[in-house]
Amino acid sequence: QITLKESGPTLVKPTQTLTLTCTFSGFSLSTSGVGVDWIRQPPGKALEWLALIYWDDDKRYSPSLKSRLTITKDTSKNQVVLTMTNMDPVDTATYYCAHSLTTIKGMDVWGQGTTVTVSS
Amino acid sequence: SYELTQPPSVSVSPGQTASITCSGDEFEYKYASWYQQKPGQSPVLVIYQDSKRPSGIPERFSGSNSGNTATLTISGTQAMDEADYYCQAWDSSTYVFGTGTKVTVL
Repeated sequence: QITLKESGPTLVKPTQTLTLTCTFSGFSLSTSGVGVDWIRQPPGKALEWLALIYWDDDKRYSPSLKSRLTITKDTSKNQVVLTMTNMDPVDTATYYCAHSLTTIKGMDVWGQGTTVTVSS
Repeated sequence: SYELTQPPSVSVSPGQTASITCSGDEFEYKYASWYQQKPGQSPVLVIYQDSKRPSGIPERFSGSNSGNTATLTISGTQAMDEADYYCQAWDSSTYVFGTGTKVTVL
């Protein structure tokens, strides 16, 4: 059974850097074709894809946020970390991580999400 | 950047068919996925690769993709299907989500 869980601060100040950790089980991020995505959802708004890291350490980023995002993995710890710099109140959202298996099979398992508020 | 447009809302009577569209330039050349999200819950994948259902997803959910539009169809809609639905595609090495559709079962 695949599970993922997001963790990180619930409150960050404007201009600070946000670091979120996705801890997963039930799969290995060294298996060919496997990826972990980060997605966010501002209150009452649509889903927004942020970043993806593949089993081979290939990384993809949302073009609009690419300059602020970094995604890394620690295969031995079964973790994926997302950092987002220069946080702003508009970045207030629920942040999800999800398991994906190739780009055509969708994100088949999602974490419960973690809510991040950006406020001074 | 690639954009996917969905109608903001769709209403359907119980037992009837709901169709949710997702429009994007030359969408037929990409694969569509669809997600269901109920209030306070994480999204759930209901369709991938245009028309395939993950294990555990009821047969009343089906998908198609032609021209510039992908469509999620819910046949025999039930009250439990009331939720927000999002389409998704892979374009230029990034994912894109649609604008989302709220399905109301009246």
